[in-house]
Amino acid sequence: KQEVTQIPAALSVPEGENLVLNCSFTDSAIYNLQWFRQDPGKGLTSLLLIQSSQREQTSGRLNASLDKSSGRSTLYIAASQPGDSATYLCVLSSGTYKYIFGTGTRLKVLA
Amino acid sequence: SQTIHQWPATLVQPVGSPLSLECTVEGTSNPNLYWYRQAAGRGLQLLFYSVGIGQISSEVPQNLSASRPQDRQFILSSKKLLLSDSGFYLCAWSVLENTGELFFGEGSRLTVL
Repeated sequence: KQEVTQIPAALSVPEGENLVLNCSFTDSAIYNLQWFRQDPGKGLTSLLLIQSSQREQTSGRLNASLDKSSGRSTLYIAASQPGDSATYLCVLSSGTYKYIFGTGTRLKVLA
Repeated sequence: SQTIHQWPATLVQPVGSPLSLECTVEGTSNPNLYWYRQAAGRGLQLLFYSVGIGQISSEVPQNLSASRPQDRQFILSSKKLLLSDSGFYLCAWSVLENTGELFFGEGSRLTVL
């Protein structure tokens, strides 16, 4: 059974810092991996999608990597800003209807 | 481009009243459609998913039901709400034949009093 864990559960950093959020999974047979952010009381916004055959994806200050052999993905946020404060979720797809959600990391960037 | 609309955004309902939440997707065809619920401070729980018109699968036994009357329309319903039905309901869609990327609506916050 696929399990997805995110560490740390919560993180507080000063503005301008570079930071890394971690996502670990137990089954390497994945179809894709997505990183989302969720602002309080809002829906989930897709940040990056990494297909199974890819190693990383970049969008602006965000870079996500995927290492299936070690069961890990990281989300790197460069030059963090207060607007980056949100809960970040990694979500795995096995290629069927089912998506497995990580436990989430609550990020707070202090001005 | 694809968009997803979900409404109403907020509603307060008395116990025992009916419920109807609606979700429509634009810009794609034959999507997989999902209803999730998120309790306060908790993760997402899959309630229903649909791979085609009239095809509904339930993940958990509950007081709710779902219907898909059209290809890009997904409705979450209840005949009689319970206090425990309160939560944040999210509609989502994906197309596995493409990238399998999952997209979410803005959510509907339901408070049952």
